[in-house]
Amino acid sequence: EADIYQTPRYLVIGTGKKITLECSQTMGHDKMYWYQQDPGMELHLIHYSYGVNSTEKGDLSSESTVSRIRTEHFPLTLESARPSHTSQYLCASSDEREAPSFSNEQFFGPGTRLTVL
Amino acid sequence: GNSVTQMEGPVTLSEEAFLTINCTYTATGYPSLFWYVQYPGEGLQLLLKATKADDKGSNKGFEATYRKETTSFHLEKGSVQVSDSAVYFCALGTYGGSQGNLIFGKGTKLSVKP
Repeated sequence: EADIYQTPRYLVIGTGKKITLECSQTMGHDKMYWYQQDPGMELHLIHYSYGVNSTEKGDLSSESTVSRIRTEHFPLTLESARPSHTSQYLCASSDEREAPSFSNEQFFGPGTRLTVL
Repeated sequence: GNSVTQMEGPVTLSEEAFLTINCTYTATGYPSLFWYVQYPGEGLQLLLKATKADDKGSNKGFEATYRKETTSFHLEKGSVQVSDSAVYFCALGTYGGSQGNLIFGKGTKLSVKP
């Protein structure tokens, strides 16, 4: 059973507020990801991390920032939320060790649905 | 570069109908291939995977075969149920660095009517 958690599940806030979306995993995975999912369902990678103190920008430019101080924790922060940030945010993790069964499989959290008014 | 092309939806079927969702890919090297499913209000769950050519992934009555000659990984189920209503994503992954990130198709929404 994959154990990756996201809080809050739902968040409604006003424009200009600072928010942090939490993501934690208990599988000891080195690699973690943040995706933004638009209403049309398509997934867009916005950030990823190879491990502690590593953060990389994804394929879609985002005004959010991330940090990776602990292996298990990968929070995403928006300094000043805007209505254009309204979306579903999904966190995921994967085990990057090479093995006979290596397969890049990613494990996803339940998501945070953010609405900015 | 690597890419995944997935059948556009939405797909609407009656219960017990046969399902096929097409997925083709472009990749250098030898990718792993995945089908993920997303039920309403949830994150993605791995449905099945295949790591080399001619492998067949299967789970919950769903199957997909890794076809290198046609660069395809089509998802099939012989008899769908209402509970299969969800969004299905085909994905590709190769090892190492940013290439280790998965590339997802755009998703296909399936609705199964009783």
